[in-house]
Amino acid sequence: DTAVSQTPKYLVTQMGNDKSIKCEQNLGHDTMYWYKQDSKKFLKIMFSYNNKELIINETVPNRFSPKSPDKAHLNLHINSLELGDSAVYFCASSPYGDTQYFGPGTRLTVL
Amino acid sequence: GDSVTQMEGPVTLSEEAFLTINCTYTATGYPSLFWYVQYPGEGLQLLLKATKADDKGSNKGFEATYRKETTSFHLEKGSVQVSDSAVYFCALSDNTGGFKTIFGAGTRLFVKA
Repeated sequence: DTAVSQTPKYLVTQMGNDKSIKCEQNLGHDTMYWYKQDSKKFLKIMFSYNNKELIINETVPNRFSPKSPDKAHLNLHINSLELGDSAVYFCASSPYGDTQYFGPGTRLTVL
Repeated sequence: GDSVTQMEGPVTLSEEAFLTINCTYTATGYPSLFWYVQYPGEGLQLLLKATKADDKGSNKGFEATYRKETTSFHLEKGSVQVSDSAVYFCALSDNTGGFKTIFGAGTRLFVKA
């Protein structure tokens, strides 16, 4: 069983479009995260939810909106996509902010 | 605020060479320290961790010791293999109830046969 899964794995879209990435974890963790990894492998935290409550919201454009329907799911919706949004987006979960368990990533390419 | 600094890469080694990747941290409390590894095309996965001073984390031949006096958590392996080629991230997690993990910039390792 996959612990943290993301869909889709690849996303290619035009500038200005709106897209969503879904994440699910079956580990029973209370905390979930979204990270953005750029082409130099630098990992930047975007959001964190604990029991469906937003607890970390880094300096991210408000075109990015996370949604947590329940503590096993954390989705990321992006409006009006820009070229600079091209990156790999990782979902992760953890128990009490300890060890992070990462999904396989979603490679977003904005043309 | 808390931060993690790790040596810049890439690091290129021949198979069976000794590996050290340096990592130092700045933290106000008593964080847990981690090394994560990212293989090509995959997400990060935990390699090892240590939760208090002088603890040694180890896994798959890799080791790192939590040194509070030098605020360091250097990663070592005695004999690397081609399959160890990956990006390695040092990280810390605040144990005071926060939920944030701070990652270093990552160090890419290439191992040649």
